[in-house]
Amino acid sequence: QQQVKQSPQSLIVQKGGISIINCAYENTAFDYFPWYQQFPGKGPALLIAIRPDVSEKKEGRFTISFNKSAKQFSLHIMDSQPGDSATYFCAASKPGGYNKLIFGAGTRLAVHP
Amino acid sequence: DAGITQSPRHKVTETGTPVTLRCHQTENHRYMYWYRQDPGHGLRLIHYSYGVKDTDKGEVSDGYSVSRSKTEDFLLTLESATSSQTSVYFCAISAQGGPYEQYFGPGTRLTVT
Repeated sequence: QQQVKQSPQSLIVQKGGISIINCAYENTAFDYFPWYQQFPGKGPALLIAIRPDVSEKKEGRFTISFNKSAKQFSLHIMDSQPGDSATYFCAASKPGGYNKLIFGAGTRLAVHP
Repeated sequence: DAGITQSPRHKVTETGTPVTLRCHQTENHRYMYWYRQDPGHGLRLIHYSYGVKDTDKGEVSDGYSVSRSKTEDFLLTLESATSSQTSVYFCAISAQGGPYEQYFGPGTRLTVT
């Protein structure tokens, strides 16, 4: 049972465009929603994270939008660059310690020059 | 990769043989995790540790065991490897158990023939 559903599976964007990746979750107990970026042959690395008490968080060209009532959150990459080409994973965790992350299936982003 | 090493980086083994993967950290972080990554599934938690000799199961723990006798080392053992355990295995560490960044190692690609 996948508790975090991520879409699309793959995404092609032109340089300078906006990349949008969406995630939906089922468990209302989740209270931490990170996005990880993974390059081929590397481990995932934290990109940006949000708590449900805010609707948006921005760090440079990366923005998380959070809709608590719809149980959805999304990653927006503004002015996408070829160097952003990677696989992106959304994740969620519940309170109570241990920080056990539940990941979405991933989105492979290709930014064409 | 935040002071995390995994060994071996690649391994091919035969069905039915035991396999042990090692995760070593130099960050003195309390929490350590083993995930497996498979296409279409993202990363799934196998086991985690919240201290020396303190471990617990994740969502896909069947067929795996772990041990942590020192803060810096977290071992994952496949008692009798099966083809369904062919995957990329990632170790992660976290300084805190709450919603806090997890740092991932470079991964081990395991093939069971």
